[in-house]
Amino acid sequence: DSGVTQTPKHLITATGQRVTLRCSPRSGDLSVYWYQQSLDQGLQFLIQYYNGEERAKGNILERFSAQQFPDLHSELNLSSLELGDSALYFCASSGSGSDEQFFGPGTRLTVL
Amino acid sequence: AQSVTQPDIHITVSEGASLELRCNYSYGATPYLFWYVQSPGQGLQLLLKYFSGDTLVQGIKGFEAEFKRSQSSFNLRKPSVHWSDAAEYFCAVAARDSNYQLIWGAGTKLIIKP
Repeated sequence: DSGVTQTPKHLITATGQRVTLRCSPRSGDLSVYWYQQSLDQGLQFLIQYYNGEERAKGNILERFSAQQFPDLHSELNLSSLELGDSALYFCASSGSGSDEQFFGPGTRLTVL
Repeated sequence: AQSVTQPDIHITVSEGASLELRCNYSYGATPYLFWYVQSPGQGLQLLLKYFSGDTLVQGIKGFEAEFKRSQSSFNLRKPSVHWSDAAEYFCAVAARDSNYQLIWGAGTKLIIKP
């Protein structure tokens, strides 16, 4: 158990809908990273937050957004969903200045 | 731009045999290098990491990896595999100046023959 929790574990929705994925980092970790794992693209970095502020952006679509709240949990919002957004979405957290990320179990999103 | 190449999509090894999974990276300076393992339906677990010092790194579950700067490689090895090692293995690179965001290889699926 990495100490990172993600909810829900599975999500099935329809095209055009909007969903929110939630991540709680390890106790004390200030950084949260979001990654997408799909059959087409493999693992891709989406976005990073540090202590409530956006720190880095990767291959994140404009239809996707994220935020980190004062209690350090983070949410990834996916809107206008398309079939191609079906993937496993991972959250990871790390401590200040740390090079090691600890991964949650992921949320499997299926868009029908 | 940083990139990671894992040339083998899948590898089949007999139980008890040795294993080497290849990883090559592209980066201007010495990056931070990682190997993660993903068991079916599971999340990602860190096996080992390298960022400086001894180029032979020991990890969990009996794995080791060797950083070779001249070859831009960070290959993962295990002297004797067990059936429980069947999983997908990912090599990743990160840089301090990019806030340690991980750039991933495509993964190598390890199949163990009994």
